[in-house]
Amino acid sequence: ETGVTQTPRHLVMGMTNKKSLKCEQHLGHNAMYWYKQSAKKPLELMFVYSLEERVENNSVPSRFSPECPNSSHLFLHLHTLQPEDSALYLCASSQARTGYQGRTEAFFGQGTRLTVV
Amino acid sequence: GEDVEQSLFLSVREGDSSVINCTYTDSSSTYLYWYKQEPGAGLQLLTYIFSNMDMKQDQRLTVLLNKKDKHLSLRIADTQTGDSAIYFCANGASGGYNKLIFGAGTRLAVHP
Repeated sequence: ETGVTQTPRHLVMGMTNKKSLKCEQHLGHNAMYWYKQSAKKPLELMFVYSLEERVENNSVPSRFSPECPNSSHLFLHLHTLQPEDSALYLCASSQARTGYQGRTEAFFGQGTRLTVV
Repeated sequence: GEDVEQSLFLSVREGDSSVINCTYTDSSSTYLYWYKQEPGAGLQLLTYIFSNMDMKQDQRLTVLLNKKDKHLSLRIADTQTGDSAIYFCANGASGGYNKLIFGAGTRLAVHP
């Protein structure tokens, strides 16, 4: 497989469930991201891992818990979610270089469509 | 703050030109980007512009950058039905990991 792969593609969960989203990249990148895409809202950056270390956490509620065990894998653990958390969750990766502000391309997965009931 | 704003919807006739506009607040980035999202897919880089340029042309795509007004636009010439998608403007904010700040996306509908 190539590129960025996300599983599952669709997930329906109750508010008391615990589930995990998985992302895997086969591009040799060293930075991975979770974005939340809701209708009519800007794409929200949730978490950034660079060199397997979390470098950004944009005031995301603790019911979302990321995990990056290595540079190729990223997880988003979900528990006690609310209906307003229903959205498309996108994973992306890029090649990050410290202190470099050059052009970089982020490669996105197809997303997991999450519905909280 | 780091805001990127776009209009949400644009409808054009097939064969006409489409112009999608974007404004941003953080002017420290060195690159600005346009991404395209087709139905059921993730985002894909369409084109980009270096911040010291004011125009970039790539086949049917023309990117215009007005740094003074912090305004970016994407023009698609001879728009086709296959161009129907959501187009996201993104600002490459500073940071070693090259963080991207996105707008809400403009849904382009192309009709016959």
